[in-house]
Amino acid sequence: EIVLTQSPGTLSLSPGERATLSCRASQSVGSSKFAWYQYIPGQAPRLLIYDASNRATGIPDRFSGSGSGTDFTLTISRLEPEDFAVYYCQQYGSSPGTFGQGTKVEIK
Amino acid sequence: EVQLVQSGAEVKKPGESLKISCTGSGYSFTTYWIGWVRQMPGKGLEWMGIIYPGDSDAKYSPSFEGQVTISVDKSISTAYLQWSSLKASDTAIYYCARPERGGYLQPFDFWGQGTLVTVSS
Repeated sequence: EIVLTQSPGTLSLSPGERATLSCRASQSVGSSKFAWYQYIPGQAPRLLIYDASNRATGIPDRFSGSGSGTDFTLTISRLEPEDFAVYYCQQYGSSPGTFGQGTKVEIK
Repeated sequence: EVQLVQSGAEVKKPGESLKISCTGSGYSFTTYWIGWVRQMPGKGLEWMGIIYPGDSDAKYSPSFEGQVTISVDKSISTAYLQWSSLKASDTAIYYCARPERGGYLQPFDFWGQGTLVTVSS
């Protein structure tokens, strides 16, 4: 199975700053079948990005995704208070559809 | 509106059996895959498996094959995740989730609220 490694583990930033989260796959992810989710404890995960760069329904344009092959990035252009959360990447190019271990974005 | 409503929290002892549920509404239940995702305490998300309600075709992660069973009852639009003999290491939140697009290898657009399973003697 494809192993996803997210970095950094924790990102300490202030509201209004730019966040750049990375996810590296142990092998190439077919057809850029790659997603990002936001997770706030006590809530269900929320799909942000699919197919590496497409925003899911209702997701603000401050969230963007990029990458291909084995390296993918989620960028939050200007952090809003509600964006401080844990972010998970997922590949669904091959079974099982594995997740990364998460990056926590915390308030500095 | 698509909704996935899961059964309530469970407290069980090691060795006991358990079946938790996920009821879908607001869409054609038989035409979309439904998956299960585990989140152990303080840990990340894990893709367990997924089932197509139309014909009960189920796919499992190798990590969970033989450890759990995923099933559906399409007459009541409900998917299930069951264990025959729980272990303390099964303590986790379990989410059901549904992709928007066809095929079982898709991202999960819709999620249930999660079911907390606690296994302790």
